[in-house]
Amino acid sequence: QVQLVESGGSVVQPGRSLRLSCAASGITISSSAMHWVRQAPGKGLEWVAVISHDGTNKNYGDSVKGRFTISRDNSKNTLFLQMNSLGTEDTAVYYCARDARGYSRGWTYYYYYMDIWGKGTTVAVSS
Amino acid sequence: IQMTQSPSSLSASVGDRVTITCQASQDITNSLSWYQQKPGKAPKLLMYDASNLETGVPSRFSGSASGTDFTFTISSLRPEDVATYYCQQYDTLPLTFGGGTKVEIK
Repeated sequence: QVQLVESGGSVVQPGRSLRLSCAASGITISSSAMHWVRQAPGKGLEWVAVISHDGTNKNYGDSVKGRFTISRDNSKNTLFLQMNSLGTEDTAVYYCARDARGYSRGWTYYYYYMDIWGKGTTVAVSS
Repeated sequence: IQMTQSPSSLSASVGDRVTITCQASQDITNSLSWYQQKPGKAPKLLMYDASNLETGVPSRFSGSASGTDFTFTISSLRPEDVATYYCQQYDTLPLTFGGGTKVEIK
């Protein structure tokens, strides 16, 4: 059964850090770019970050740039999101998702849409 | 790139034809996908490249494009289609989503 399972979400105070994980099973993610997407309570979807299949290229949304770091361990079939300096605006359900066809050509990376999603993990930032 | 999705919500009867639109703030060369999200669930990919149906998705769902305007259609609404639908552009980073359209049964 193909699935992505996020973990690591919790209640955390403003200014603190948190690390999310996304474990893949039934698929090998080492050949796929991977994304994090979040959804604040009652709000729409917001793209957070993407990492290339080999981890050499990373891109972030403006609202998290400089605070969040995406990484991966292909030997463990796992994706991570390190979140620092958390604020109340980061309260959301965080989803990991596989890029359906992302690839690289030389030093150029191409990212697309998400075809497999996890069920999400909840991060609540509150004092 | 901003994605302006409309309407934000709609109510229709079972069997009705439902149309949702998404307008990109600049040319995205049909690099558009559509997702369905049911309450408390993760989004599900329905369409990509503006008009291609993902494998296993019912054929009552369809999409089209005209310049920077994109249309998503449910040809005959069914009760299981109650959900929020999102468009997403992947022409340029950062990837961006439309604001969503909540579809309900009248």
